[in-house]
Amino acid sequence: DQQVKQNSPSLSVQEGRISILNCDYTNSMFDYFLWYKKYPAEGPTFLISISSIKDKNEDGRFTVFLNKSAKHLSLHIVPSQPGDSAVYFCAARTSSTGTASKLTFGTGTRLQVTL
Amino acid sequence: NAGVTQTPKFQVLKTGQSMTLQCAQDMNHNSMYWYRQDPGMGLRLIYYSASEGTTDKGEVPNGYNVSRLNKREFSLRLESAAPSQTSVYFCAIVQLGGHSIQYFGAGTRLSVL
Repeated sequence: DQQVKQNSPSLSVQEGRISILNCDYTNSMFDYFLWYKKYPAEGPTFLISISSIKDKNEDGRFTVFLNKSAKHLSLHIVPSQPGDSAVYFCAARTSSTGTASKLTFGTGTRLQVTL
Repeated sequence: NAGVTQTPKFQVLKTGQSMTLQCAQDMNHNSMYWYRQDPGMGLRLIYYSASEGTTDKGEVPNGYNVSRLNKREFSLRLESAAPSQTSVYFCAIVQLGGHSIQYFGAGTRLSVL
């Protein structure tokens, strides 16, 4: 039962254009969402996050949008650069107290930014 | 990699062999996690530890054991490796005061023949 889904395994975008990566979730108890970026032979690195009480969060070229009613999350990269070529994972947290918080990850989308 | 050190970086095992993957952090964080990453499967949680001396199962714990003997180290043990455990393993920590932002080590690539 995949609670966090990234339905596009790959995406190719030209340099300078917008990249839009999508993520859908099924668990309405998720209260915090994160995007991670992963280069080959490296660990995932945190990119940007958003709380469920917001619908947008922006950090430089990266913006995350949250549509709670649709249970949909998207990451926009503008403008896309060749260095953005990587695998992007969406992750979601269920709020909990008294124990370590856990994240549920999507299966990832491989972004290729072409010249 | 945010002060998370994983050893070894690569390992090849024969079916039935045992080994321990090590994870050490130098950031004094409480929570530590072990994940495996497989093609088309994303990152799946194996075990996690909220604090020294405590461990809990994640999504895919079968075939693994963990140990959190001190705050700094969290090890993952395969008692009898199987080909299905061929994967890339990542250790992660959560920054104190952060919103569950996990920081990952560089990974251990394990092949079981």
